[in-house]
Amino acid sequence: EAQVTQNPRYLITVTGKKLTVTCSQNMNHEYMSWYRQDPGLGLRQIYYSMNVEVTDKGDVPEGYKVSRKEKRNFPLILESPSPNQTSLYFCASSPLQGSSPLHFGNGTRLTVT
Amino acid sequence: RKEVEQDPGPFNVPEGATVAFNCTYSNSASQSFFWYRQDCRKEPKLLMSVYSSGNEDGRFTAQLNRASQYISLLIRDSKLSDSATYLCAVTNAGNNRKLIWGLGTSLAVNP
Repeated sequence: EAQVTQNPRYLITVTGKKLTVTCSQNMNHEYMSWYRQDPGLGLRQIYYSMNVEVTDKGDVPEGYKVSRKEKRNFPLILESPSPNQTSLYFCASSPLQGSSPLHFGNGTRLTVT
Repeated sequence: RKEVEQDPGPFNVPEGATVAFNCTYSNSASQSFFWYRQDCRKEPKLLMSVYSSGNEDGRFTAQLNRASQYISLLIRDSKLSDSATYLCAVTNAGNNRKLIWGLGTSLAVNP
């Protein structure tokens, strides 16, 4: 089944404790992206990647890192999480940016205390 | 002015009603347009791409009005299961063809 898989679904952590949210897609998509979604602010792009070893900042990259060592994986790293990073996170992929619809993972709800 | 704007609603309609949402965009050079559906706390899922000539998928019709810079989504014969938030997404005209998202329109279909 074609899908984007994120893990974990739910995560509660404390300020400053490094964490990684994994994202994997099995559709051989070139483009992958991370979003966060907050009430009243909608979907905001954190980072995106056009291909392996190519990553770029989105609209809200501060406090996040990503890597794209393989086409299928695009992990999101929070080196020192803070409470303002409490949010619902989505990974997404598509064959090409912009002209193709995005396929989303089922989300990671992160709480930082 | 926001790049992509939607009426947040909520739209409360009875089953069987016809309801329409609009989404306006500010960049006249935008090229690709999409409607997504998002259920509470779940991931957005593509509902329809929007083509220049308009397109229909069952009870759903999407249209693009380039002159007035908006896209629309029409839902006929609303079902309870149509209750969700409807997000529009528009690509910008830059080299990266980034998707710009509306904040969504909330629809509640009532028995």
